Amino acid sequence: EPEVTQTPSHQVTQMGQEVILRCVPISNHLYFYWYRQILGQKVEFLVSFYNNEISEKSEIFDDQFSVERPDGSNFTLKIRSTKLEDSAMYFCASRGDQGKQYFGPGTRLTVT
Amino acid sequence: AQSVTQLGSHVSVSEGALVLLRCNYSSSVPPYLFWYVQYPNQGLQLLLKYTSAATLVKGINGFEAEFKKSETSFHLTKPSAHMSDAAEYFCAVSAPSGGYQKVTFGTGTKLQVIP
Repeated sequence: EPEVTQTPSHQVTQMGQEVILRCVPISNHLYFYWYRQILGQKVEFLVSFYNNEISEKSEIFDDQFSVERPDGSNFTLKIRSTKLEDSAMYFCASRGDQGKQYFGPGTRLTVT
Repeated sequence: AQSVTQLGSHVSVSEGALVLLRCNYSSSVPPYLFWYVQYPNQGLQLLLKYTSAATLVKGINGFEAEFKKSETSFHLTKPSAHMSDAAEYFCAVSAPSGGYQKVTFGTGTKLQVIP
């Protein structure tokens, strides 16, 4: 079965630094998503992306966050100036027309 | 708007006993419903999904769930628990079609299996 991949699996960064989390969605998918899960909490929607623009974002997704599809295969989440509370597992997902979202394995971001 | 409520943040069952994890949903349109499992320090694995076909949905690892519109429920069951079923389980909902179909997750239920 096709799968979404994410790199790195674990990222450690210092507070105030910029981080870029990378995702390779399934090749023929058109809808892309980022979710996050703070340790011990539920998975929360961050943003959806379609046709090279953000289609929906949550209130978590403030000006410190941005997403980009820089080429035909990658989908990235950038956090400009990380805060301690950004420490979480970040999941990328993609969807074709069939309605099922495929989730990647996640990137664990640790901000120190 | 859509949401799911998972009753019980922790459930303990004996090995070989019935597993029942409860989920109720709220959606303004007929929903798609999902159960995901997450093992410690791992990602989300789809167990099963309901997409308006059969109301009894069979998934991986012997799990199944029944969509009951009258009760707005989508409870997850497994007849006989195995030690390897110990994990956290998330119920989730999304709109069925159109829009951008963000998935809304419940707060999760941690399943403990007692030998």
